[in-house]
Amino acid sequence: RKEVEQDPGPFNVPEGATVAFNCTYSNSASQSFFWYRQDCRKEPKLLMSVYSSGNEDGRFTAQLNRASQYISLLIRDSKLSDSATYLCVARTDSWGKLQFGAGTQVVVTP
Amino acid sequence: AAGVIQSPRHLIKEKRETATLKCYPIPRHDTVYWYQQGPGQDPQFLISFYEKMQSDKGSIPDRFSAQQFSDYHSELNMSSLELGDSALYFCASSLGGGTAAYEQYFGPGTRLTVT
Repeated sequence: RKEVEQDPGPFNVPEGATVAFNCTYSNSASQSFFWYRQDCRKEPKLLMSVYSSGNEDGRFTAQLNRASQYISLLIRDSKLSDSATYLCVARTDSWGKLQFGAGTQVVVTP
Repeated sequence: AAGVIQSPRHLIKEKRETATLKCYPIPRHDTVYWYQQGPGQDPQFLISFYEKMQSDKGSIPDRFSAQQFSDYHSELNMSSLELGDSALYFCASSLGGGTAAYEQYFGPGTRLTVT
């Protein structure tokens, strides 16, 4: 069983709509969390670090629920360029290696 | 802003050959991580270095070795290549290791194909 689990999707979203999806993590010792986006055959790009109080960056909002061990990402006013795979990532140990979820695919349609 | 540089971007090797992948971290970053991403899979951690010392080791085969040099660049050496080694290899860098580790930024990757 993977340490970080995500719904693979795809989430088909009309342009301008809002989409939200979660991931769950199994290791309660996980210290830090991130959302990366990955376009086909490209490198993961850091989208957001997820802070315990939740944080917002423009159209993107991330929430962390430590009690239930899940992280969420919400995208408002979806753009065609938001189409990508969103990787939920946890960092458990102090040396920083990242544990990736399998990714959630988002497809924004005109 | 300067990003992580990886070379080569594409590499084709035959079985049992060796390959060397290079990674140049973002300037002033002192920690380097290597990840392997197979087709349709998420990135898997291989190994990391902080201040030129190995800091952590993941699912790296014994046929692979890596090091970080005095200028902080890192090389991943892969020997006796197998078909299953075909994958994207990403290097990521961050500022600080241990409890001070910050966000990791990924390079564009090296696509290795073993035939």
